[in-house]
Amino acid sequence: GDSVTQMEGPVTLSEEAFLTINCTYTATGYPSLFWYVQYPGEGLQLLLKATKADDKGSNKGFEATYRKETTSFHLEKGSVQVSDSAVYFCALSSEAGGFKTIFGAGTRLFVKA
Amino acid sequence: EAQVTQNPRYLITVTGKKLTVTCSQNMNHEYMSWYRQDPGLGLRQIYYSMNVEVTDKGDVPEGYKVSRKEKRNFPLILESPSPNQTSLYFCASNPFGRGLAETQYFGPGTRLLVL
Repeated sequence: GDSVTQMEGPVTLSEEAFLTINCTYTATGYPSLFWYVQYPGEGLQLLLKATKADDKGSNKGFEATYRKETTSFHLEKGSVQVSDSAVYFCALSSEAGGFKTIFGAGTRLFVKA
Repeated sequence: EAQVTQNPRYLITVTGKKLTVTCSQNMNHEYMSWYRQDPGLGLRQIYYSMNVEVTDKGDVPEGYKVSRKEKRNFPLILESPSPNQTSLYFCASNPFGRGLAETQYFGPGTRLLVL
């Protein structure tokens, strides 16, 4: 079945450091790919998404590119802030897989001042 | 304000005592879904619904029931809760205009403890 694998955390960075969180997937058909963010005590909210190969999603300085050849959707940010501390989830949705959404295990990010 | 609401936010119960967690959205979304979040496992889909009276199993449906009698509401029912259902539960909705390429909107979560 469909699956999402993302790097284990926690990831601890200093402010202004470069961030990469790896995400790879297996899926039937052509899934849409998402990054969601969860701040402490809150529900998830969409960070960015890409719906077809080579699309780049971007928001709030975060970027991720849909790479079909490597089945990856890695999240990057050039300069993190303390306010970026949260849990980040990679996810895919595929109608070929039965109208389900599959999430990765989540990666917790701590950013130190 | 466009939102997904869940009630209760926190619940402590005992094994075997039936409970319902309500979910409501005011965005006229077609698609609604329930997830549970457990440490190290991320979110796992329990059930989803693509429209009124249309529901289907996600990846972890055992021990749960749902119903979709109205478009805005999608309650999650635990007929006989067990300790392994202790978890953080999220309801989500999606306009589904472009299928699952649409963004999901999540409720604030319900933290359930089954003793």
